[in-house]
Amino acid sequence: DADVTQTPRNRITKTGKRIMLECSQTKGHDRMYWYRQDPGLGLRLIYYSFDVKDINKGEISDGYSVSRQAQAKFSLSLESAIPNQTALYFCATSDRDPDERGGYTFGSGTRLTVV
Amino acid sequence: DAKTTQPPSMDCAEGRAANLPCNHSTISGNEYVYWYRQIHSQGPQYIIHGLKNNETNEMASLIITEDRKSSTLILPHATLRDTAVYYCIGDGGGADGLTFGKGTHLIIQP
Repeated sequence: DADVTQTPRNRITKTGKRIMLECSQTKGHDRMYWYRQDPGLGLRLIYYSFDVKDINKGEISDGYSVSRQAQAKFSLSLESAIPNQTALYFCATSDRDPDERGGYTFGSGTRLTVV
Repeated sequence: DAKTTQPPSMDCAEGRAANLPCNHSTISGNEYVYWYRQIHSQGPQYIIHGLKNNETNEMASLIITEDRKSSTLILPHATLRDTAVYYCIGDGGGADGLTFGKGTHLIIQP
């Protein structure tokens, strides 16, 4: 099983619908992140969570919300999807131990299309 | 996180060493230099990181200049599977995520 699992892998939804993207991890990391990637661009941070009681907005949080249900689970919701939210979405985790700088672990991504 | 500058694209012949430069002249003393790569539309993959010293692992080597204003990622024997976008990122270990630029699109030519 992958260290970071995202579901669904692909999703097509209609404008105005609510949709949830889910992420689970087996790394035991405290920190979790949601990024989006548009064609030809780098990843941009949507939300991040330091632990289950800590949620923070990233660079592009408008139109999104998140829930940290447990240390291992972090979900991203689009309350009312719009076409310009069509993108590739990635979940990532990292360890908070400053000496354990082993990098971030990313999921395989969810390709979301809003029509 | 420090701003980094990378060439938008590079070519390298299969079997040769691929040397990817990164400029990070504003990097602070506690920021590590990280390299990730993204193959097609897969999730970014961690490659290597370093603070001051040169580093080597099974994937690559990282050479950091003494003044820490630039670094080079070296893939010693590039294969076609190394074709990807490579991101150089400065990270101080804060919880607020990585800042991605556009990276370098490395194309390995057969």
